[in-house]
Amino acid sequence: EAGVTQFPSHSVIEKGQTVTLRCDPISGHDNLYWYRRVMGKEIKFLLHFVKESKQDESGMPNNRFLAERTGGTYSTLKVQPAELEDSGVYFCASSLSLNYGYTFGSGTRLTVV
Amino acid sequence: DQQVKQNSPSLSVQEGRISILNCDYTNSMFDYFLWYKKYPAEGPTFLISISSIKDKNEDGRFTVFLNKSAKHLSLHIVPSQPGDSAVYFCAASAGDYKLSFGAGTTVTVRA
Repeated sequence: EAGVTQFPSHSVIEKGQTVTLRCDPISGHDNLYWYRRVMGKEIKFLLHFVKESKQDESGMPNNRFLAERTGGTYSTLKVQPAELEDSGVYFCASSLSLNYGYTFGSGTRLTVV
Repeated sequence: DQQVKQNSPSLSVQEGRISILNCDYTNSMFDYFLWYKKYPAEGPTFLISISSIKDKNEDGRFTVFLNKSAKHLSLHIVPSQPGDSAVYFCAASAGDYKLSFGAGTTVTVRA
């Protein structure tokens, strides 16, 4: 079974630009999570989808971040406009049912210059 | 407000010896705790977990201990192997499947 796929693996953009990160969960996994690790610090929760619905978006930092999950399959996380503090590694994870057995993707390293 | 803290950013241990990683938390609502392992350029992978109704859980070379009164948990790896060199994250949840992570401890196993 294919794992959680994220792309791009790396992205370098200028402050003020827009970036879209994509996550393809494991096929059939209804639960999809986005997390972020900034500057080597703790990994922080951003949001949780159940199928195409946002179950919990309490971790989204501000309205420059927009997450979508079309048809309950892949998800995108758009940052518009990007700021320097948005730099970090963005992880996506998925699980079949509501449990702690997430499978994480390898992450997208975003650098805003 | 960081609710899960790993105060040791790094740990170096000789191959074959015990590695002990520590984690403290502040939220008394946390009822499930996990350890994840992360290699460079990879996502975290689940290692071992423990529910708040237990004080110990063992899986092969890995044992997690939970001290609820002290709001402290630890991960013991015995014996340590070179492949254990990685970043280890402690995580906790209050039952909503949303995880709060610590900042990680980098373990280096020396031959």
